[in-house]
Amino acid sequence: DAGITQSPRHKVTETGTPVTLRCHQTENHRYMYWYRQDPGHGLRLIHYSYGVKDTDKGEVSDGYSVSRSKTEDFLLTLESATSSQTSVYFCAISDGGANTGELFFGEGSRLTVL
Amino acid sequence: AQKVTQAQTEISVVEKEDVTLDCVYETRDTTYYLFWYKQPPSGELVFLIRRNSFDEQNEISGRYSWNFQKSTSSFNFTITASQVVDSAVYFCALFMNRDDKIIFGKGTRLHILP
Repeated sequence: DAGITQSPRHKVTETGTPVTLRCHQTENHRYMYWYRQDPGHGLRLIHYSYGVKDTDKGEVSDGYSVSRSKTEDFLLTLESATSSQTSVYFCAISDGGANTGELFFGEGSRLTVL
Repeated sequence: AQKVTQAQTEISVVEKEDVTLDCVYETRDTTYYLFWYKQPPSGELVFLIRRNSFDEQNEISGRYSWNFQKSTSSFNFTITASQVVDSAVYFCALFMNRDDKIIFGKGTRLHILP
């Protein structure tokens, strides 16, 4: 199994509070992704990274920011959480090259915003 | 625009029946990859197959087979002699070389009834 861990795995917070989700990998993969999964919407890309300090927006980036200061860590921050951000968040990694696009997913982080 | 459509939201079949999950994609790129992922009730996401845009050869892996047709922009997935353990949500995904993004369809929930 790919070495990818997400923390926290579960979090309940209140509207307006900041939240940071962490994705940590031990595979030294170049690409890292944050998705959210919601009923009826499948998996939607929030932000992704193609290297240290190199990030770009996905389909649903509003209200989210990311940072990648080290290869192994990709942080997703909700500056001021809203109820619409209640979701399950998945981090994924990929090494590109011959394995382009083959994603390994973390176990997910369930966030509830009250 | 890039898009992945899984028109079947939910399918139920009786065990041992064959079932096909449809996937239609849209992209302007000539170089891209298509994927199928499985999400069992436990929630993890499991990679099943990758196919690049230059390889239209169909693939069979045990009871699973995939039919890639560029002429209809489809990448359909067939499970032969279905089993209860095949019950899961299945996602089709598209990766474009141009922007390193992987986008997913909304998924098809498959119920295999004993």
